[in-house]
Amino acid sequence: QKEVEQNSGPLSVPEGAIASLNCTYSDRGSQSFFWYRQYSGKSPELIMSIYSNGDKEDGRFTAQLNKASQYVSLLIRDSQPSDSATYLCAVNGGGSQGNLIFGKGTKLSVKP
Amino acid sequence: NAGVTQTPKFHILKIGQSMTLQCTQDMNHNYMYWYRQDPGMGLKLIYYSVGAGITDKGEVPNGYNVSRSTTEDFPLRLELAAPSQTSVYFCASRPTGGEKLFFGSGTQLSVL
Repeated sequence: QKEVEQNSGPLSVPEGAIASLNCTYSDRGSQSFFWYRQYSGKSPELIMSIYSNGDKEDGRFTAQLNKASQYVSLLIRDSQPSDSATYLCAVNGGGSQGNLIFGKGTKLSVKP
Repeated sequence: NAGVTQTPKFHILKIGQSMTLQCTQDMNHNYMYWYRQDPGMGLKLIYYSVGAGITDKGEVPNGYNVSRSTTEDFPLRLELAAPSQTSVYFCASRPTGGEKLFFGSGTQLSVL
């Protein structure tokens, strides 16, 4: 059974700090990795995707991938109260259908 | 462009009743998915479809059925509802070759 593990939190950081969210996955053959943000009562929305080892930056967000350690992380710089949400890590389950396997999510709270 | 539309948004069902959750998308996406999300949990795949006339089971298909007669519509049928089916249901779609999932706004279902 392919699994994606996340610390459920809650993770609390002060406004302006760096929030670090972590995720591990079980399938060494996974090739595609995603971070979705989900506000309370809303549907998930894609914020980052990463496919190769290293860092990928998009504005205040940086995704990091280490396939050898089967580890994906998301850094949020200059955290804002509007970043308070649950962050879901998702990994492509492989095969032609490319179904995503989601972690349970980490709840982030950014305190003003 | 409405994207992915789900109806109803909320519903209360009695144990043993049946109902259909509707999902339609206007983006001409071949791939469509049904997920359920229990409180504090990630998304679990119920069923998916890679095109009209083609459906397959996901991780948690028991108690559900789907059909895909058109590219646009992917209804989810609950037969003999049980309290364990109380959850938030999300429909999603993606284009062939794309990896971003487009989610509907969700259906909150309670079985009492």
